[in-house]
Amino acid sequence: ILNVEQSPQSLHVQEGDSTNFTCSFPSSNFYALHWYRWETAKSPEALFVMTLNGDEKKKGRISATLNTKEGYSYLYIKGSQPEDSATYLCASLNQAGTALIFGKGTTLSVSS
Amino acid sequence: EADIYQIPRYLVIGTGKKITLECSQTMGHDKMYWYQQDPGMELHLIHYSYGVNSTEKGDLSSESTVSRIRTEHFPLTLESARPSHTSQYLCATRYGSNEKLFFGSGTQLSVL
Repeated sequence: ILNVEQSPQSLHVQEGDSTNFTCSFPSSNFYALHWYRWETAKSPEALFVMTLNGDEKKKGRISATLNTKEGYSYLYIKGSQPEDSATYLCASLNQAGTALIFGKGTTLSVSS
Repeated sequence: EADIYQIPRYLVIGTGKKITLECSQTMGHDKMYWYQQDPGMELHLIHYSYGVNSTEKGDLSSESTVSRIRTEHFPLTLESARPSHTSQYLCATRYGSNEKLFFGSGTQLSVL
C-alpha cells in the first residue's frame, strides 16, 4: 500500500498570515500528485495536478511545488483569508497507476 | 465541469438491511471510484471502475459490492448493513489517468 503523509494535521492562523503544508509520498514509481481543498459541507475540489519533478503551480494566492526525487510536495497559501479555511488533501497515484491514494489532510482554520 | 450526483445524502438504517448508494455522472467519464472516510481518517479507496463491466476492489477491504452496467451509474450495495459500515462514502470520476477527480457530495451512512 502506498503511504501518503501530510503535516501538520491541523493549523490555525490569523488573517493575512502566510502558511504552508507538507505532503510526502514514496518517490519510487511516481505517477502524479494531486492537491484538493475540502470545505465543510461541500465536495472536495481539485487545486492542482502535478507530474514533473520541479513542477510549480499557482492559483491565485495558493501555490504548490513538487519534488519527485525525494517524494514531497509543499502547498503554500499567501495572505490567508477566512474563506481559505478547509481541509487540504494531497493524493498520489498508487504503484499500479490505477487510482489515487489520499493522505489524512491538513485542516486549516483562518481567524479574522 | 463534471456533474456527479450521489443519492441519498444522508441515510440512517437498521442492522441487516440491504442498501444501495447511488452515484451518477453526466460527463461520460470512464473512470469512477468509491472512497470511504471514517472521522479523522483519510479517504480510502474501496472500489473503482475503468468502464462498463469493469470493477475492481481498492486498497481497503470492503464488504460492499459495485456494478457498472452503464457508463453513467456506479452504484454501491451492502447486502446486510452493520454498525461497522457507518461511514461517509464519496463517489468520484475522472477522464484520464493524470486528470483531476470530480467528487460527489457524499453519502453519510449510519447503521444502528
